[in-house]
Amino acid sequence: EPEVTQTPSHQVTQMGQEVILRCVPISNHLYFYWYRQILGQKVEFLVSFYNNEISEKSEIFDDQFSVERPDGSNFTLKIRSTKLEDSAMYFCASTTGGGELFFGEGSRLTVL
Amino acid sequence: GENVEQHPSTLSVQEGDSAVIKCTYSDSASNYFPWYKQELGKGPQLIIDIRSNVGEKKDQRIAVTLNKTAKHFSLHITETQPEDSAVYFCAASINTGRRALTFGSGTRLQVQP
Repeated sequence: EPEVTQTPSHQVTQMGQEVILRCVPISNHLYFYWYRQILGQKVEFLVSFYNNEISEKSEIFDDQFSVERPDGSNFTLKIRSTKLEDSAMYFCASTTGGGELFFGEGSRLTVL
Repeated sequence: GENVEQHPSTLSVQEGDSAVIKCTYSDSASNYFPWYKQELGKGPQLIIDIRSNVGEKKDQRIAVTLNKTAKHFSLHITETQPEDSAVYFCAASINTGRRALTFGSGTRLQVQP
């Protein structure tokens, strides 16, 4: 069964460092998303990406965040200068656009 | 923007009993309502969804109902089993899921054997 894969599964970084989280969406999907989940809280939307550009973003997705699809398969989330409050589980998701959103297993980011 | 409220935050039932989780949404333009199950350390997994042109949908032991007038939708799990224990999230979206999902705060379901 096709799945969304994310790397790394866990990253520990120092405050102020840059972090890149990587995702390989399902191959025939057209819409890509990043969500985050602070421990014990709800899943929150960050950004959506379609046709090689951001189609929607939330208030959380400020200038410290960026997304890129550098090739035909990878979809990355970059946090330029991490803060303590960026510690969370980051989920990548993708869909054909027909409804069902498939989530990856997540990348846990710990900022010290 | 959309706001989704979910209740209860925790629910404990005996194996074989039914479980009901309720959500309300604020944006009348929302037309897609999925439910996700999240097991410990994993990503959310879709278990059932409903579109606004349908009032009820069933898939084996799981059913979802939607009341557009009242802007609420509910998840019903019958004959619960220990493997149903997880956190369940409701969500709402415009444009049948192509727009961002707004999630509820989650319900931790514990099925006691």
